[in-house]
Amino acid sequence: DIQMTQSPSSLSASVGDRVTITCRASQGISNYLAWYQQKPGKVPKLLIYAASTLQSGVPSRFSGSGSGTDFTLTISSLQPEDVATYYCQKYNSAPLTFGQGTRLEIK
Amino acid sequence: QVQLVESGGGLVKPGGSLRLSCAASGFTFSDYYMSWIRQAPGKGLEWVSYISSSSSYTNYADSVKGRFTISRDNAKNSLYLQMNSLRAEDTAVYYCARVSYGYGLFFDYWGQGTLVTVSS
Repeated sequence: DIQMTQSPSSLSASVGDRVTITCRASQGISNYLAWYQQKPGKVPKLLIYAASTLQSGVPSRFSGSGSGTDFTLTISSLQPEDVATYYCQKYNSAPLTFGQGTRLEIK
Repeated sequence: QVQLVESGGGLVKPGGSLRLSCAASGFTFSDYYMSWIRQAPGKGLEWVSYISSSSSYTNYADSVKGRFTISRDNAKNSLYLQMNSLRAEDTAVYYCARVSYGYGLFFDYWGQGTLVTVSS
């Protein structure tokens, strides 16, 4: 099975900072990658699919890139409401594996 | 608006069984694949199973294969997860999620979740 590895596991950044989270697949998955945001105590929310397509209603400061095995989620200007854990998920084939998550905090 | 409401969670002893339900509204349920995803306390997300729109195709994570069964009733707009031979490691919040239509097997709407605790 393909493994999904996110880095870092946690990070702390200041409001206004540019933040980048990486997701690496153990084998190529083309662009079959989604990103989710889970705020503390809340339900996961879809942010991005097809590696770089922003889900409707998601702020434009979020962006995704990558193909094959290496992907990134970028927040161009960190806001206080972005405090959350972020997960990547591959969906080229089952099992539909999630990364282990990246916890983002405000410094 | 899309709503997914899970029910059926609770405390069960190891080896026991439980059936989760998910009531869907706000969209044409019979058009969509549906899925269950779980999250152990303080841990990450783990995909459990999905079912095709007409129930003709199902798939399971290895960790639950042979113990869990996903099903749906399109007339009742409902999704189910029958969980047998439960283990302590099955303790988690179980989310019902809608699979995106036509774009791939990712999840565009999630329910609030129902907690399953497996303990003696």
